[in-house]
Amino acid sequence: AQSVTQPDIHITVSEGASLELRCNYSYGATPYLFWYVQSPGQGLQLLLKYFSGDTLVQGIKGFEAEFKRSQSSFNLRKPSVHWSDAAEYFCAVGEGSGGYQKVTFGIGTKLQVIP
Amino acid sequence: GAVVSQHPSRVICKSGTSVKIECRSLDFQATTMFWYRQFPKQSLMLMATSNEGSKATYEQGVEKDKFLINHASLTLSTLTVTSAHPEDSSFYICSANSQGRLGEKLFFGSGTQLSVL
Repeated sequence: AQSVTQPDIHITVSEGASLELRCNYSYGATPYLFWYVQSPGQGLQLLLKYFSGDTLVQGIKGFEAEFKRSQSSFNLRKPSVHWSDAAEYFCAVGEGSGGYQKVTFGIGTKLQVIP
Repeated sequence: GAVVSQHPSRVICKSGTSVKIECRSLDFQATTMFWYRQFPKQSLMLMATSNEGSKATYEQGVEKDKFLINHASLTLSTLTVTSAHPEDSSFYICSANSQGRLGEKLFFGSGTQLSVL
């Protein structure tokens, strides 16, 4: 069965600092990998996804993630965090058609941004 | 952009009553919708996959008679929590799988916070 581990429940960074959110997955085949962001009272918004090809994936809002098969990781990065990035971030692995038929989420990492 | 509307956003009910949650895709047709629940400090857990015109597929451990899912049209799926109990209190969130002109993508509703007294 597929699974996702986000080892950091809560992270605090200063505005303007760089950010890296960790994600490790377990999946038998080539995974479909996603990062979602959830702001309070909002649904989940897709930041980026990896299906195949270039292992460095660019997403919205200046985020990027790198797929490393040898480490079973898909860490999310941003070079300079803005206060509006404060939210909860979920890493996910999917299977089935397009990776969307069954999506398994990590526990989430709550990001706090301080001035 | 594509939007999934979920209603209500918050509901409080008495133990033993039933609660219906609606999930609508507003500008695309969704042959497949998904229902998740999220307990505090835990991840979203897939409860069931809802397919238009057919019976929902439930994940292991999810009671189908407790959580009734109806996907009667290509834009609407409903989740009914029957005879709700305090342990059913949770955050429920739906997602819809778009295809066609939007490409295949999952869009999420904003969730429903259910509190059973």
